[in-house]
Amino acid sequence: EAGVAQSPRYKIIEKRQSVAFWCNPISGHATLYWYQQILGQGPKLLIQFQNNGVVDDSQLPKDRFSAERLKGVDSTLKIQPAKLEDSAVYLCASSPGQGAIGYTFGSGTRLTVV
Amino acid sequence: AQSVSQHNHHVILSEAASLELGCNYSYGGTVNLFWYVQYPGQHLQLLLKYFSGDPLVKGIKGFEAEFIKSKFSFNLRKPSVQWSDTAEYFCAVSQGDNFNKFYFGSGTKLNVKP
Repeated sequence: EAGVAQSPRYKIIEKRQSVAFWCNPISGHATLYWYQQILGQGPKLLIQFQNNGVVDDSQLPKDRFSAERLKGVDSTLKIQPAKLEDSAVYLCASSPGQGAIGYTFGSGTRLTVV
Repeated sequence: AQSVSQHNHHVILSEAASLELGCNYSYGGTVNLFWYVQYPGQHLQLLLKYFSGDPLVKGIKGFEAEFIKSKFSFNLRKPSVQWSDTAEYFCAVSQGDNFNKFYFGSGTKLNVKP
Protein backbone atom coordinates (compact mmCIF):
# COMPACT_ATOMS: atom_id res chain seq x y z
CA GLU A 1 0.00 0.00 0.00
CA ALA A 2 1.15 3.57 -0.51
CA GLY A 3 2.70 5.23 2.52
CA VAL A 4 2.08 8.57 4.17
CA ALA A 5 2.96 11.30 1.69
CA GLN A 6 4.42 14.61 2.77
CA SER A 7 5.54 17.68 0.87
CA PRO A 8 7.77 19.49 0.48
CA ARG A 9 10.77 17.42 1.60
CA TYR A 10 12.83 20.50 2.42
CA LYS A 11 12.03 24.15 3.06
CA ILE A 12 14.25 27.08 3.95
CA ILE A 13 12.62 30.33 5.03
CA GLU A 14 13.60 33.48 6.84
CA LYS A 15 12.33 34.17 10.33
CA ARG A 16 8.96 35.91 10.46
CA GLN A 17 7.91 34.34 7.16
CA SER A 18 5.08 31.84 6.96
CA VAL A 19 5.25 28.24 5.76
CA ALA A 20 2.84 25.38 5.17
CA PHE A 21 3.35 21.63 5.06
CA TRP A 22 1.04 19.10 3.48
CA CYS A 23 0.29 15.50 4.45
CA ASN A 24 -1.74 12.82 2.69
CA PRO A 25 -2.31 9.83 4.99
CA ILE A 26 -2.77 6.21 4.04
CA SER A 27 -6.15 5.74 2.41
CA GLY A 28 -8.83 4.94 4.96
CA HIS A 29 -6.81 5.99 7.98
CA ALA A 30 -9.11 7.97 10.25
CA THR A 31 -6.45 9.31 12.60
CA LEU A 32 -3.72 11.74 11.56
CA TYR A 33 -0.87 13.16 13.64
CA TRP A 34 1.68 15.94 13.25
CA TYR A 35 4.98 15.64 15.12
CA GLN A 36 7.89 18.03 15.48
CA GLN A 37 11.38 16.52 15.68
CA ILE A 38 14.10 18.98 16.65
CA LEU A 39 17.66 17.88 15.94
CA GLY A 40 18.94 15.63 18.73
CA GLN A 41 15.47 15.01 20.16
CA GLY A 42 12.72 12.50 19.64
CA PRO A 43 9.50 13.41 17.86
CA LYS A 44 6.99 15.45 19.88
CA LEU A 45 3.27 15.23 19.13
CA LEU A 46 1.83 18.59 18.07
CA ILE A 47 -1.71 17.68 17.11
CA GLN A 48 -3.92 14.62 16.58
CA PHE A 49 -6.99 14.51 14.33
CA GLN A 50 -9.74 11.91 14.32
CA ASN A 51 -11.37 12.31 10.89
CA ASN A 52 -11.71 16.12 10.63
CA GLY A 53 -11.90 16.79 14.37
CA VAL A 54 -9.06 17.68 16.73
CA VAL A 55 -8.48 15.08 19.46
CA ASP A 56 -5.41 16.58 21.11
CA ASP A 57 -3.60 19.85 20.40
CA SER A 58 -2.23 20.42 23.89
CA GLN A 59 1.37 20.72 22.67
CA LEU A 60 0.67 22.90 19.64
CA PRO A 61 1.98 26.49 20.03
CA LYS A 62 -1.30 28.02 18.97
CA ASP A 63 0.00 31.58 18.76
CA ARG A 64 1.91 30.68 15.60
CA PHE A 65 1.01 27.12 14.58
CA SER A 66 -2.26 26.00 13.04
CA ALA A 67 -3.42 22.79 11.42
CA GLU A 68 -6.50 21.65 9.60
CA ARG A 69 -7.96 18.52 8.10
CA LEU A 70 -11.11 19.90 6.54
CA LYS A 71 -12.39 16.85 4.67
CA GLY A 72 -10.97 14.26 7.01
CA VAL A 73 -8.33 13.16 4.53
CA ASP A 74 -5.25 15.26 3.87
CA SER A 75 -3.98 17.90 6.27
CA THR A 76 -1.92 21.07 6.33
CA LEU A 77 0.25 22.42 9.12
CA LYS A 78 1.08 26.13 9.04
CA ILE A 79 3.57 28.25 10.92
CA GLN A 80 3.07 32.02 10.88
CA PRO A 81 5.37 33.74 11.69
CA ALA A 82 8.27 31.33 11.91
CA LYS A 83 11.00 31.61 14.53
CA LEU A 84 14.53 30.24 14.47
CA GLU A 85 13.58 27.59 17.05
CA ASP A 86 10.98 26.16 14.67
CA SER A 87 13.80 24.59 12.64
CA ALA A 88 12.98 20.89 12.78
CA VAL A 89 11.64 17.94 10.85
CA TYR A 90 7.85 17.90 10.78
CA LEU A 91 6.51 14.37 10.63
CA CYS A 92 3.04 13.28 9.70
CA ALA A 93 1.67 9.89 10.74
CA SER A 94 -1.62 8.11 10.33
CA SER A 95 -3.40 5.11 11.81
CA PRO A 96 -6.70 3.33 11.12
CA GLY A 97 -8.29 4.73 14.26
CA GLN A 98 -8.04 5.27 17.97
CA GLY A 99 -6.29 2.41 19.65
CA ALA A 100 -5.50 0.70 16.36
CA ILE A 101 -2.27 -0.81 15.16
CA GLY A 102 -0.89 0.25 11.79
CA TYR A 103 0.58 3.57 12.88
CA THR A 104 2.67 4.73 9.91
CA PHE A 105 5.03 7.68 9.63
CA GLY A 106 5.83 9.78 6.59
CA SER A 107 9.36 10.81 5.67
CA GLY A 108 8.89 14.31 6.99
CA THR A 109 9.55 17.89 5.92
CA ARG A 110 12.84 19.39 7.04
CA LEU A 111 12.35 23.08 7.85
CA THR A 112 15.26 25.44 8.28
CA VAL A 113 14.52 28.94 9.55
CA VAL A 114 17.35 31.42 8.97
CA ALA B 1 3.47 14.35 31.54
CA GLN B 2 5.24 11.21 30.51
CA SER B 3 9.02 11.29 30.06
CA VAL B 4 11.11 8.74 28.23
CA SER B 5 14.87 8.47 28.75
CA GLN B 6 17.39 6.90 26.44
CA HIS B 7 20.73 7.23 28.17
CA ASN B 8 22.95 6.09 25.30
CA HIS B 9 23.04 8.86 22.72
CA HIS B 10 25.63 7.29 20.46
CA VAL B 11 26.79 3.68 20.38
CA ILE B 12 29.56 2.28 18.22
CA LEU B 13 29.88 -1.48 17.80
CA SER B 14 31.72 -3.90 15.58
CA GLU B 15 29.76 -6.43 13.54
CA ALA B 16 28.73 -9.53 15.54
CA ALA B 17 28.85 -7.64 18.83
CA SER B 18 25.81 -7.79 21.09
CA LEU B 19 23.58 -4.76 21.49
CA GLU B 20 21.55 -3.46 24.39
CA LEU B 21 19.93 -0.02 24.30
CA GLY B 22 18.34 1.33 27.44
CA CYS B 23 14.89 2.91 27.73
CA ASN B 24 13.22 4.13 30.91
CA TYR B 25 9.88 5.85 31.28
CA SER B 26 8.21 7.73 34.10
CA TYR B 27 4.50 6.84 34.02
CA GLY B 28 3.36 4.53 36.79
CA GLY B 29 0.13 3.33 35.21
CA THR B 30 -0.62 1.04 32.28
CA VAL B 31 1.72 1.69 29.37
CA ASN B 32 2.18 0.56 25.81
CA LEU B 33 5.81 0.38 24.73
CA PHE B 34 7.45 0.62 21.31
CA TRP B 35 10.83 0.68 19.63
CA TYR B 36 11.16 2.45 16.31
CA VAL B 37 14.13 2.52 13.94
CA GLN B 38 15.07 5.21 11.46
CA TYR B 39 17.58 4.22 8.80
CA PRO B 40 19.49 7.07 7.15
CA GLY B 41 17.17 9.02 4.87
CA GLN B 42 14.14 6.90 5.67
CA HIS B 43 11.02 7.23 7.78
CA LEU B 44 10.45 5.81 11.24
CA GLN B 45 9.63 2.12 11.19
CA LEU B 46 8.23 -0.04 13.97
CA LEU B 47 10.65 -2.68 15.29
CA LEU B 48 8.49 -4.13 18.02
CA LYS B 49 5.75 -3.32 20.50
CA TYR B 50 4.46 -4.40 23.87
CA PHE B 51 0.85 -4.08 25.01
CA SER B 52 0.42 -6.87 27.55
CA GLY B 53 1.31 -10.50 28.20
CA ASP B 54 4.79 -11.97 27.85
CA PRO B 55 7.23 -9.22 28.83
CA LEU B 56 9.83 -10.54 26.38
CA VAL B 57 8.85 -9.27 22.97
CA LYS B 58 10.38 -10.34 19.70
CA GLY B 59 10.41 -7.99 16.74
CA ILE B 60 11.71 -7.85 13.23
CA LYS B 61 15.31 -8.36 12.12
CA GLY B 62 16.28 -10.35 15.23
CA PHE B 63 15.54 -7.60 17.74
CA GLU B 64 13.86 -8.24 21.06
CA ALA B 65 12.97 -6.15 24.10
CA GLU B 66 12.12 -6.92 27.69
CA PHE B 67 9.57 -5.03 29.73
CA ILE B 68 10.55 -4.85 33.41
CA LYS B 69 7.69 -3.12 35.17
CA SER B 70 9.50 -2.71 38.49
CA LYS B 71 12.32 -0.86 36.75
CA PHE B 72 10.09 1.14 34.36
CA SER B 73 12.33 -0.16 31.60
CA PHE B 74 11.98 -1.54 28.09
CA ASN B 75 15.49 -2.27 26.84
CA LEU B 76 16.19 -3.29 23.26
CA ARG B 77 18.57 -6.15 22.54
CA LYS B 78 20.12 -7.97 19.61
CA PRO B 79 22.62 -10.81 20.07
CA SER B 80 24.72 -10.06 17.00
CA VAL B 81 24.52 -6.77 15.09
CA GLN B 82 25.17 -6.27 11.41
CA TRP B 83 26.46 -3.28 9.47
CA SER B 84 22.91 -2.84 8.13
CA ASP B 85 21.67 -2.15 11.67
CA THR B 86 23.36 1.26 11.52
CA ALA B 87 20.46 3.61 12.26
CA GLU B 88 18.85 5.71 14.95
CA TYR B 89 16.65 3.91 17.47
CA PHE B 90 13.78 5.52 19.34
CA CYS B 91 11.89 4.22 22.33
CA ALA B 92 8.28 5.39 22.60
CA VAL B 93 5.60 5.06 25.24
CA SER B 94 1.88 5.65 25.24
CA GLN B 95 -0.40 5.51 28.21
CA GLY B 96 -3.12 2.90 28.41
CA ASP B 97 -5.95 5.42 28.19
CA ASN B 98 -4.55 7.25 25.16
CA PHE B 99 -3.01 4.60 23.02
CA ASN B 100 -1.99 6.79 20.13
CA LYS B 101 -0.35 9.67 21.99
CA PHE B 102 3.30 8.67 21.78
CA TYR B 103 6.05 10.09 23.96
CA PHE B 104 9.44 9.50 22.35
CA GLY B 105 12.90 9.28 23.84
CA SER B 106 15.68 11.38 22.35
CA GLY B 107 17.03 8.48 20.33
CA THR B 108 20.24 6.44 20.19
CA LYS B 109 22.45 6.52 17.12
CA LEU B 110 23.98 3.13 16.46
CA ASN B 111 27.02 2.90 14.24
CA VAL B 112 28.09 -0.64 13.34
CA LYS B 113 31.61 -0.93 11.94
CA PRO B 114 32.08 -3.60 9.27
